[in-house]
Amino acid sequence: DQQVKQNSPSLSVQEGRISILNCDYTNSMFDYFLWYKKYPAEGPTFLISISSIKDKNEDGRFTVFLNKSAKHLSLHIVPSQPGDSAVYFCAAISSGNTPLVFGKGTRLSVIA
Amino acid sequence: NAGVMQNPRHLVRRRGQEARLRCSPMKGHSHVYWYRQLPEEGLKFMVYLQKENIIDESGMPKERFSAEFPKEGPSILRIQQVVRGDSAAYFCASSPRGGTANTGELFFGEGSRLTVL
Repeated sequence: DQQVKQNSPSLSVQEGRISILNCDYTNSMFDYFLWYKKYPAEGPTFLISISSIKDKNEDGRFTVFLNKSAKHLSLHIVPSQPGDSAVYFCAAISSGNTPLVFGKGTRLSVIA
Repeated sequence: NAGVMQNPRHLVRRRGQEARLRCSPMKGHSHVYWYRQLPEEGLKFMVYLQKENIIDESGMPKERFSAEFPKEGPSILRIQQVVRGDSAAYFCASSPRGGTANTGELFFGEGSRLTVL
């Protein structure tokens, strides 16, 4: 039973345009939602997060939007750069000793 | 400040052998997590440990897999009698906080890639 779902395995975007990566979840008890970025042969690195009490968090070119009623969040990258090409994992966690749960990832390719 | 260190980076084992994967958390981090990534899949939680204690092992297969985080030394994920299905990337992560203070921000190592022939 997948609690965090990323339904698009891949996405291609032209350099300078906006990239929008989507994520759906089923567990209404999640308190934090996070995005991790992963390059080949490396470990995931934390990118940005949002608390369940907020609906938007912005950090430079990256913005995460949370729609709790739809159990949906999205990551916007603008403008997209070739160095953004990576696999992006959506993740979520509940307070307490519960583990961080990951989606299957979306491979973003930014084309110059 | 060194990051999370995992070794070996690559490990090849024949069916039936044992695999030992090691993880040294970031300095000052006492919470360690192991995740497994199968080909074309996301990261699946395996186990969460603090020094000398297993906090949550709900993601560990019931047989052949074990993990420890001793008072001194790295955390070790041990797989006995490996089978081809164990071939995967195993990632270790650490954090300075756990429990209700854990907001999900983990620091990952580069992973250990296990290939079972």
